[in-house]
Amino acid sequence: GENVEQHPSTLSVQEGDSAVIKCTYSDSASNYFPWYKQELGKGPQLIIDIRSNVGEKKDQRIAVTLNKTAKHFSLHITETQPEDSAVYFCAAGGRAQKLVFGQGTRLTINP
Amino acid sequence: KAGVTQTPRYLIKTRGQQVTLSCSPISGHRSVSWYQQTPGQGLQFLFEYFSETQRNKGNFPGRFSGRQFSNSRSEMNVSTLELGDSALYLCASTSTGTSDTGELFFGEGSRLTVL
Repeated sequence: GENVEQHPSTLSVQEGDSAVIKCTYSDSASNYFPWYKQELGKGPQLIIDIRSNVGEKKDQRIAVTLNKTAKHFSLHITETQPEDSAVYFCAAGGRAQKLVFGQGTRLTINP
Repeated sequence: KAGVTQTPRYLIKTRGQQVTLSCSPISGHRSVSWYQQTPGQGLQFLFEYFSETQRNKGNFPGRFSGRQFSNSRSEMNVSTLELGDSALYLCASTSTGTSDTGELFFGEGSRLTVL
């Protein structure tokens, strides 16, 4: 089955700097790669996703890149702000209902 | 539109007891999935229900079970609780069918502590 590894487990950056979180997956059949953000006391919320026919997708300060050959994908957050502090999860799978999640990255934005 | 509602939000049980958690999906969503979240382990998939049928199951022991009702509300049950069952249990619903990729909408979770 699918296995997803996420790094780093914790990340601390200065406000205004960029943050990058990386994930690798094992199943070459996976074609859907979402990222979820979980704020304290809340459930995870989808922030961006990418499908295997696309190499990069951007939404304002957030971007995701996918390298299917190497089986890794990354989340990039530019111009970080205090409200970006949260736990971020990557996931991989064939459809939403069969996603395998990474272990999570706790991102802290320092003022 | 109301989000995914999970009850109870917090509960404390002792080893050997059983617990039932409830999840009401977003209106119109027919797929409900359950996840266990523990520090360092991320989100571990428990099972998914679609139209009252269990469609997928994760690698959890038989002590973990669930069901879905005709109104799409779902419950999960854990019997003979162990200390390691302490976790945040998250429910997620989605409107998609069997093959579409789509957004999972998570509830805020039920935090279970086993003493």
